[in-house]
Amino acid sequence: NAGVTQTPKFRILKIGQSMTLQCTQDMNHNYMYWYRQDPGMGLKLIYYSVGAGITDKGEVPNGYNVSRSTTEDFPLRLELAAPSQTSVYFCASRTGTEYEQYFGPGTRLTVT
Amino acid sequence: AQTVTQSQPEMSVQEAETVTLSCTYDTSESDYYLFWYKQPPSRQMILVIRQEAYKQQNATENRFSVNFQKAAKSFSLKISDSQLGDAAMYFCAYRSGDFGNEKLTFGTGTRLTIIP
Repeated sequence: NAGVTQTPKFRILKIGQSMTLQCTQDMNHNYMYWYRQDPGMGLKLIYYSVGAGITDKGEVPNGYNVSRSTTEDFPLRLELAAPSQTSVYFCASRTGTEYEQYFGPGTRLTVT
Repeated sequence: AQTVTQSQPEMSVQEAETVTLSCTYDTSESDYYLFWYKQPPSRQMILVIRQEAYKQQNATENRFSVNFQKAAKSFSLKISDSQLGDAAMYFCAYRSGDFGNEKLTFGTGTRLTIIP
């Protein structure tokens, strides 16, 4: 199993541009999450999904959108990139019976 | 709202020695889960150990163990026989036992340096 994979690893965006961060897991996990990690801080939850077709807001959802059309994929969309969205983004997943989350390697995004 | 506090931004330990990382949390819930995650320079978040609040016995995973003091709301991580590969950021995290609450609250982390 590859676990949780994320693409791209790095990206630089100009203010106002849009992009999609990809996340895929091959563990058949129902639950998937997107977090951001700002320098010197812990992770904060952006959005999560409890299954295909179901998404919900986390702690810091403004400026982002998600969709969950399949169990495997959970893309995160930035529509109008702002410097405040410069961060490292992590995708995670878990089964329905265990609470520990398994994380992808992260995407470092810089908005200038 | 739950909060997680890691009061030690940085710690260092001699290789083969033992080190303890502190974590305290604030909650009004009685059912919850606590985790320690390791983040090496590769950025990958790796689960080190977890503790269910309803369990009195402290969790242990090889060289890693916790001291869970529920009344004091304290959840420290002890690393025995420290190895160079243990160098990383360590994050303490809290999860509600409420099935519908998916939020995982993280502390700000402790950077652990291993001295050869």
